[in-house]
Amino acid sequence: DGGITQSPKYLFRKEGQNVTLSCEQNLNHDAMYWYRQDPGQGLRLIYYSQIVNDFQKGDIAEGYSVSREKKESFPLTVTSAQKNPTAFYLCASSIWGRGANVLTFGAGSRLTVL
Amino acid sequence: DAKTTQPPSMDCAEGRAANLPCNHSTISGNEYVYWYRQIHSQGPQYIIHGLKNNETNEMASLIITEDRKSSTLILPHATLRDTAVYYCIVRVGNNNAGNMLTFGGGTRLMVKP
Repeated sequence: DGGITQSPKYLFRKEGQNVTLSCEQNLNHDAMYWYRQDPGQGLRLIYYSQIVNDFQKGDIAEGYSVSREKKESFPLTVTSAQKNPTAFYLCASSIWGRGANVLTFGAGSRLTVL
Repeated sequence: DAKTTQPPSMDCAEGRAANLPCNHSTISGNEYVYWYRQIHSQGPQYIIHGLKNNETNEMASLIITEDRKSSTLILPHATLRDTAVYYCIVRVGNNNAGNMLTFGGGTRLMVKP
């Protein structure tokens, strides 16, 4: 079945460590996105990518980095510069073009900083 | 983008229709209305979208008022598994800055036996 796979589902990190969250899609979607969700809140956009080797900052990019070397993959690195990294991280993808845009989401990765 | 307003929470009896309202009074002519839902600790799930006309699919119906300033998502026969947070979002299509959907607080729907 086509979809988005995020890993790991749960991750614990010590302060000062960088961690990388994986996101892979087999939907042949051009665009991919990373969102952050804090408890009881909506989703906030971290980064997005419309095409391979190109990505743009979202609303809360500070302390995060991404790469898009393959169409299928869009990993997110949470760096030690991110002051409050404990959150639920969601990856999504979509087609890129005219008309309505429907996002397909992964199951999420929950990061806890100890 | 048009801002949306949703009630923070609603209850619905199992088997009854759940009608979730959304106000988007500043919507522009080329903005779509999308609905997603998020079951606890899972990724959001797309439900339905529309531009001007009412829409129906296997999950729900979307009723958009003639002036497009509000809409209602209808789950015709709510089940316990429909308990979730429902997000109403408006956004233009074909945006060069990215088709970024902004998820606000949503409506927490509780379906009760």
